[in-house]
Amino acid sequence: GENVGLHLPTLSVQEGDNSIINCAYSNSASDYFIWYKQESGKGPQFIIDIRSNMDKRQGQRVTVLLNKTVKHLSLQIAATQPGDSAVYFCAENDGGATNKLIFGTGTLLAVQP
Amino acid sequence: NAGVTQTPKFQVLKTGQSMTLQCAQDMNHEYMSWYRQDPGMGLRLIHYSVGAGITDQGEVPNGYNVSRSTTEDFPLRLLSAAPSQTSVYFCASSYRSGTGGNTIYFGEGSWLTVV
Repeated sequence: GENVGLHLPTLSVQEGDNSIINCAYSNSASDYFIWYKQESGKGPQFIIDIRSNMDKRQGQRVTVLLNKTVKHLSLQIAATQPGDSAVYFCAENDGGATNKLIFGTGTLLAVQP
Repeated sequence: NAGVTQTPKFQVLKTGQSMTLQCAQDMNHEYMSWYRQDPGMGLRLIHYSVGAGITDQGEVPNGYNVSRSTTEDFPLRLLSAAPSQTSVYFCASSYRSGTGGNTIYFGEGSWLTVV
């Protein structure tokens, strides 16, 4: 069936560097994508989202890029900080009546001081 | 500003026991859902509700029941616990369904172990 997956299970970066977390999706009907951050022992926390009619969206220190041609999503974190260490999930929402989210398996971001 | 509140935070059950995970939200959200998260995996949808009195199955509904008698509450019942139901459970809510793009808020999680 359709699913959302991640290329890299772990990513280690130095404090102050930029981080890029990638995600591949396979459901071409999905029209809305979200990145969540999950710290140890906590629930997922919304970071940023993007609709399928956009290819880029920026937030505070974060940017999401969407390439519909290759069904690829990425999260860029600028000037990565130790507090950014967490598991990051991409999720797709097909915008239907159920508002269901389909999650990828997650990428662990480890920020080295 | 409670948001989505889940109880209990931790629970150990014996195989065959039943229990209810409670979920409440104070944001007047129409849409509520339950996910489970297993080690090294993303979240999988168990059941969801688009409004009071309406529930439906997600990806992995077997062994679980839900009800939505009020807008605020969405309890998840394990009918006869099995070791395969050992997991972390997350309740989530959003303002409305059917339009997509509504930010979904998650609770802090309930850690369940079935022995």
